[in-house]
Parts: sequence; C-alpha cells; structure tokens
Amino acid sequence: GAVVSQHPSRVICKSGTSVKIECRSLDFQATTMFWYRQFPKKSLMLMATSNEGSKATYEQGVEKDKFLINHASLTLSTLTVTSAHPEDSSFYICSARPGQGPDNEQFFGPGTRLTVL
Amino acid sequence: TQLLEQSPQFLSIQEGENLTVYCNSSSVFSSLQWYRQEPGEGPVLLVTVVTGGEVKKLKRLTFQFGDARKDSSLHITAAQPGDTGLYLCAGELDNAGNMLTFGGGTRLMVKP
Repeated sequence: GAVVSQHPSRVICKSGTSVKIECRSLDFQATTMFWYRQFPKKSLMLMATSNEGSKATYEQGVEKDKFLINHASLTLSTLTVTSAHPEDSSFYICSARPGQGPDNEQFFGPGTRLTVL
Repeated sequence: TQLLEQSPQFLSIQEGENLTVYCNSSSVFSSLQWYRQEPGEGPVLLVTVVTGGEVKKLKRLTFQFGDARKDSSLHITAAQPGDTGLYLCAGELDNAGNMLTFGGGTRLMVKP
C-alpha cells in the first residue's frame, strides 16, 4: 500500500518556540493532505485540509495563524506550530489522498508526538 | 455530541471471547472505514464499506454497513492478545470533499 512518512516522530521544545512537522507521500502524489490532532486516549480530530497549491481549509476552532500549513508540492505538506505552548502538546497525524484511486481512501502517517515544556 | 458515536469506549476481555463494536450516527455516509491504531502510531486501515447492507470479512473480523448507511459494526471472533488496540470508525459524508469524521474510538484489551 501507499506510504506516508512524518518527520520528526518526536519533538520536545520550549514554550514560545515554533515547530515544523513534515508529511510526505513517498510513492504517490497527494493532491490533498489532512492534518489531525489526537489527545491521549482520544480519537482523531481533523484540524485542516491541505490542498496542493492553495490555502488550507481549517476546521472550526483551529487557529490558522497558530497552525500554519503549507502544501507546496504534491508530495509534501508541512504543519508549523507557532509560538508553541504546553497546551499544544499532542500527537499530530497527517494523512494523504492519492490523486487517483478510490475517492475516499486516505493513507495515514505514523504521527508526530509534540511535547512543549 | 459526536457525529459518529462509537460504543463501547473501552472493552477488556479474555482471549477466545467474541466482541462487537458499534458505530452509529443519524447522518448518512457515502462510505465508512474502520481503522486500528497502536500506541504512538498512525491508524491503519482495516476495511472500507460503501454499500448499504454490505458485509466484509477479514479473517476473524466481520464488518457490516447498515442498510441505511448510518451505522456500522465490527465483530471479532475468538479474540487474541494481538487484537489489542484502539479501533476507530470513520465516515465520509456526501459532498464532504473526502473529509473523514472519526468516531470516539474503542479501546480493546484482550488478556491472555
């Protein structure tokens, strides 16, 4: 199956710093990528939908200036958590949907655990 | 209130027992997917159901999509410790731009 990678897998940062998380589709082109946030023992909450070459669509309650998303190519989307605070600590997961194939199939990355001290 | 209600939220059973996880909604979904997630990893797709009344089997796992495409169930026969994990249902609403809405998840623990 299709492979999606995320980097880094874990990151610890100080409060006030910015952190960039990369999501790559390794063997397919992804016209759409999705970013999710998952709190411990909870389900995935969609943060935003990222379309290549256009602005991301954010879900209600997600601050677009706080969580910057860039989908500059068909294989890479980045999520930057700006001025991170301890409450931003979470597990961030991306998924990618191929341009071709079953319309509703998404492939998930392994996740990035962010800890803000 | 979540769009997709999953039950039970937590299930602890002995090896060899059977179990069913339910995913219910008042909305109609064009498709519904089931995932399994291990701690510290991303979800892994188990199955996609798209037709009302559809039943799919994956070894000891049986998935069913409701006739009205509003609900789904996952039945595991003779559970094994390796089945332990977080099971997530996720649905795509019509005209949702391929966006998935996740249920709250069912955390399954199978004890040897």
